[in-house]
Amino acid sequence: NAGVTQTPKFQVLKTGQSMTLQCAQDMNHEYMSWYRQDPGMGLRLIHYSVGAGITDQGEVPNGYNVSRSTTEDFPLRLLSAAPSQTSVYFCASSYDRGGGSSYNEQFFGPGTRLTVL
Amino acid sequence: KQEVTQIPAALSVPEGENLVLNCSFTDSAIYNLQWFRQDPGKGLTSLLLIQSSQREQTSGRLNASLDKSSGRSTLYIAASQPGDSATYLCAVPWGGKLIFGQGTELSVKP
Repeated sequence: NAGVTQTPKFQVLKTGQSMTLQCAQDMNHEYMSWYRQDPGMGLRLIHYSVGAGITDQGEVPNGYNVSRSTTEDFPLRLLSAAPSQTSVYFCASSYDRGGGSSYNEQFFGPGTRLTVL
Repeated sequence: KQEVTQIPAALSVPEGENLVLNCSFTDSAIYNLQWFRQDPGKGLTSLLLIQSSQREQTSGRLNASLDKSSGRSTLYIAASQPGDSATYLCAVPWGGKLIFGQGTELSVKP
C-alpha cells in the first residue's frame, strides 16, 4: 500500500491564483480530512469527509473547497490564494469513523508546502 | 472545550537516556489518544494509539500510558538514540477532528 499520498510536495502561488492540492489513499478508508500546520498554531482542521459524497467544514474552512467523488480521493481547492494561506497542508485518513464508534488510527500524508506571494 | 498541552516544548538528552514526554488534556471523556512523530519537513507518523479502555500500549522501545481520570498520557522512550530526534505530538479526537498538542521537540545528542 502507498498509504496517503499528496501532490505536489511544494507549490508557490501568487495572490489571487487558484489551485488544487491532491490527496489520495489506497486503504479504503471512509474518513479523510485536511489540516494546515502553522508555527505557533499547531494543526488545524480545514475540511473533512466521512465518505464519498459527504463533506463538512472544520475549524478554518474559509477560502477552501473540497469534494469527495470517490472513496480514494479528497482534493482541496484554494479558490483565490492569499498570503495567509501560506502553510503546510496535510491530508489524513482513517477507517470506521462512525457515530458512536471509536475513532480509529489516523494516517497522514507527507504534506504540501504552499507559499503564497 | 478540549485542550491538549504538551510539556516540555523542547528536550535535549544524551544518547542512551530513558525519557518521558508528557501530554495532558482537559476533558477526560476521550475515545482514544494517539502519539505521532514528525521529522523536520516531513509528515506525521503514527506511533501508538491508546483506546480509552486501555492503560498502556507498547511498540519496541516506546511505551505510552493513559490515565483518563487525571487527564494525562505519557510517552516513555527507552535507551534513546540520535535517530529518535524529532517532534512528538499527541492528539485526541474531539468534535469531529483531532485536537493536537503543540508538540515536544526532542534532540538526542550522540
